[in-house]
Amino acid sequence: EAGVAQSPRYKIIEKRQSVAFWCNPISGHATLYWYQQILGQGPKLLIQFQNNGVVDDSQLPKDRFSAERLKGVDSTLKIQPAKLEDSAVYLCASSLGSPPGDTQYFGPGTRLTVL
Amino acid sequence: AQKVTQAQTEISVVEKEDVTLDCVYETRDTTYYLFWYKQPPSGELVFLIRRNSFDEQNEISGRYSWNFQKSTSSFNFTITASQVVDSAVYFCALSGGRGSTLGRLYFGRGTQLTVWP
Repeated sequence: EAGVAQSPRYKIIEKRQSVAFWCNPISGHATLYWYQQILGQGPKLLIQFQNNGVVDDSQLPKDRFSAERLKGVDSTLKIQPAKLEDSAVYLCASSLGSPPGDTQYFGPGTRLTVL
Repeated sequence: AQKVTQAQTEISVVEKEDVTLDCVYETRDTTYYLFWYKQPPSGELVFLIRRNSFDEQNEISGRYSWNFQKSTSSFNFTITASQVVDSAVYFCALSGGRGSTLGRLYFGRGTQLTVWP
């Protein structure tokens, strides 16, 4: 079974530029999550989708971050404009059914560096 | 509020030593779930174990074992006879059972384990 796919793996941009990350969850997984992991810290949830609906986006900085999951499968996370403090690894995860307690499986992440 | 504390930032051991990674959690939920993940240098978080709050049985899987104690709000992870391939950052995480915390994983800051040959 294929795991969670993410692209690109690495991205370097200048501040104020925009960037987009893509995630394809494990086949059949209804729930998709985006996490931000700053160096030396644990991942922090940005947004959670159940199929193509948003369940939790309370920690998403909505003035610059946006995410969508249009057909309930793959998802895109966008940052516009980027700030220096957005440098982090962006992890996508998916789980089979409905939380709570559903095991989340993570992709390899996208490492973003903002100069 | 949900909180996970991993007080050990870094641990170094020599191969074949046993090592225990500590995890202390805080939650007001009566139903909750605890997880351990491994993050090798490649960056991907690898799922190791899931435990719900009603199951306090300790678990062993090969060289890995977990000790869940609700009385002390701890969920510690022991690696027996450590190997170089165990070198990674290990995260403990908590998921609540109701309301706005549904689904969200709260992670500790992680423990960097280095196993020397």
